[in-house]
Amino acid sequence: EVQLVESGGGLVQPGGSLRLSCAASGFTFSSYWMSWVRQAPGKGLEWVANIKQDGSEKYYVDSVKGRFTISRDNAKNSLYLQMNSLRAEDTAVYYCARVDYTRLFDYWGQGTLVTVSS
Amino acid sequence: EIVLTQSPGTLSLSPGERATLSCRASQSVSSSYLAWYQQKPGQAPRLLIYGASSRATGIPDRFSGSGSGTDFTLTISRLEPEDFAVYYCQQYGSSPLFGGGTKVEIK
Repeated sequence: EVQLVESGGGLVQPGGSLRLSCAASGFTFSSYWMSWVRQAPGKGLEWVANIKQDGSEKYYVDSVKGRFTISRDNAKNSLYLQMNSLRAEDTAVYYCARVDYTRLFDYWGQGTLVTVSS
Repeated sequence: EIVLTQSPGTLSLSPGERATLSCRASQSVSSSYLAWYQQKPGQAPRLLIYGASSRATGIPDRFSGSGSGTDFTLTISRLEPEDFAVYYCQQYGSSPLFGGGTKVEIK
């Protein structure tokens, strides 16, 4: 059974940093692109970042470029999102998602809440 | 930049009724890369439809997707109590993009 479990969310002040993790199981992690998607309170879904199987390609939504870094550790079956220079508008539930060979988000974790507030 | 507009914003229906949800793109979208997700409060999105019309594993056949170009539709033939939720369309591929969502609520 595919499982994705996010962790690392919490309350952080504007300008601060946070690192999210996503532990994957039930599939060959190193064979899949992975993605982060976020959802602000009461709002819709927004794709944040993608990373290729070997980490050699990474893509970001414009609003987080230069502030967020997606990475992975295939030996640990883990995906990460390093978030720096956080802003109030980054407040959201952050989901990790598995991306299949057509770039479809076929499995999602339950999410972790990030709150940026003073 | 492509924009996906979903309508209506809210659909008020009774169990057993038919639901028709629209997703309109500002530019043509390959139907191979159009998906629909269901999200219930406090839960992660769940994949329903991919490739505009293919049901994901385990999705009941009362859910169907159709469309091409700029106009796509998700139809729920007979609403079950568990179908009341928010539905999102998505263009996937190299530049993932979501629509704003349609809430299907109990009338």
